[in-house]
Amino acid sequence: DAGVTQSPTHLIKTRGQQVTLRCSPKSGHDTVSWYQQALGQGPQFIFQYYEEEERQRGNFPDRFSGHQFPNYSSELNVNALLLGDSALYLCASSLLQLLHDTQYFGPGTRLTVL
Amino acid sequence: AQSVTQPDIHITVSEGASLELRCNYSYGATPYLFWYVQSPGQGLQLLLKYFSGDTLVQGIKGFEAEFKRSQSSFNLRKPSVHWSDAAEYFCAVGPSLSGNTPLVFGKGTRLSVIA
Repeated sequence: DAGVTQSPTHLIKTRGQQVTLRCSPKSGHDTVSWYQQALGQGPQFIFQYYEEEERQRGNFPDRFSGHQFPNYSSELNVNALLLGDSALYLCASSLLQLLHDTQYFGPGTRLTVL
Repeated sequence: AQSVTQPDIHITVSEGASLELRCNYSYGATPYLFWYVQSPGQGLQLLLKYFSGDTLVQGIKGFEAEFKRSQSSFNLRKPSVHWSDAAEYFCAVGPSLSGNTPLVFGKGTRLSVIA
């Protein structure tokens, strides 16, 4: 049973560019959450997708957008990259209807903005 | 707003010694609490979680944590540390009945293990 997978593993971009990160949830899961983890910090919630809709959103600007596909996989898009967007981006999946379900995290995508 | 404080940025323990990592939370209602571990360059792995019931929770890899409402704490413990336990440890709180709500993480405690 494959866990949460993310691609790519590493990414280098320059300021002003756009980036797309991808996530495949654990088998059987229908909800995907994205977190940003800056160096030396804990993860911070960006947004969560369920049934192809953004269900909740953290305190991130509109430059951060996402999408969920019918197969539950998800993309995180960041436009007009800033140096401060350099971080590890983590995807977590879970099953919405299961009370007390746990979020399972992928290995992350390391984004470096130069 | 809910928050999590991990007072210790870095802890060093000898292999075989006991370990306690501190976590304090701020939340008005009954919290749902988690401990995750992150090895270098890796994602987060769940060690244990607390939703209700017995305040002493057992997790994987020999870890346990105790929920103390009066102290707003959820400290992680292990009786005997192994070199492979060296990693970053994150405490997190989930503010709702469902584990699917956003987690609020502490800044983490880095554990080093020496021979």
